[in-house]
Amino acid sequence: EPEVTQTPSHQVTQMGQEVILRCVPISNHLYFYWYRQILGQKVEFLVSFYNNEISEKSEIFDDQFSVERPDGSNFTLKIRSTKLEDSAMYFCASTLAETYGYTFGSGTRLTVV
Amino acid sequence: AQSVTQPDIHITVSEGASLELRCNYSYGATPYLFWYVQSPGQGLQLLLKYFSGDTLVQGIKGFEAEFKRSQSSFNLRKPSVHWSDAAEYFCAVGAREYGNKLVFGAGTILRVKS
Repeated sequence: EPEVTQTPSHQVTQMGQEVILRCVPISNHLYFYWYRQILGQKVEFLVSFYNNEISEKSEIFDDQFSVERPDGSNFTLKIRSTKLEDSAMYFCASTLAETYGYTFGSGTRLTVV
Repeated sequence: AQSVTQPDIHITVSEGASLELRCNYSYGATPYLFWYVQSPGQGLQLLLKYFSGDTLVQGIKGFEAEFKRSQSSFNLRKPSVHWSDAAEYFCAVGAREYGNKLVFGAGTILRVKS
């Protein structure tokens, strides 16, 4: 069964450093998403991406965040200058259309120290 | 604002017993509904989904859920729980009118005792 692949599975970074979280969505999917889950809290929407542009973003997704689909297969989330409160599990998801359901990756656990 | 409520933070059931996990939503549009399961350290696996049609939907691993519009609920059920079902379960709701993003409930942790 096709999978959404995320790397790395765990990343530790120092406050103020830039991080890039990588995702390989399912190859024929058209819609791409990032969600995050702070420990003990709900899974929260960050951003959706379609047709090579952001279609929607949440209040969390401020100027420190950016997304890119550089080569037609990878989908990346960049945090420019990490803060302690960015520590969370970050999930990538993709779908062909909303009626197909969303396939999530296994997540990247980001720890900012 | 859209919201999803899973009123039970933890549920413990005996192996072989039946299970019902509750999910209520508040949405201004016609929603589509999902249940996901997350084992420790793992991603979110789709159990089942509802978009339209038959309000009783079947999913993987023997789970089913029933959409009740009048009660704004989408409860997850399983007739006989297995120890391997121990995990955290998330209800999620989306709508085309809200850009297809999903709003998740807080999750219910299921413990299975032998």
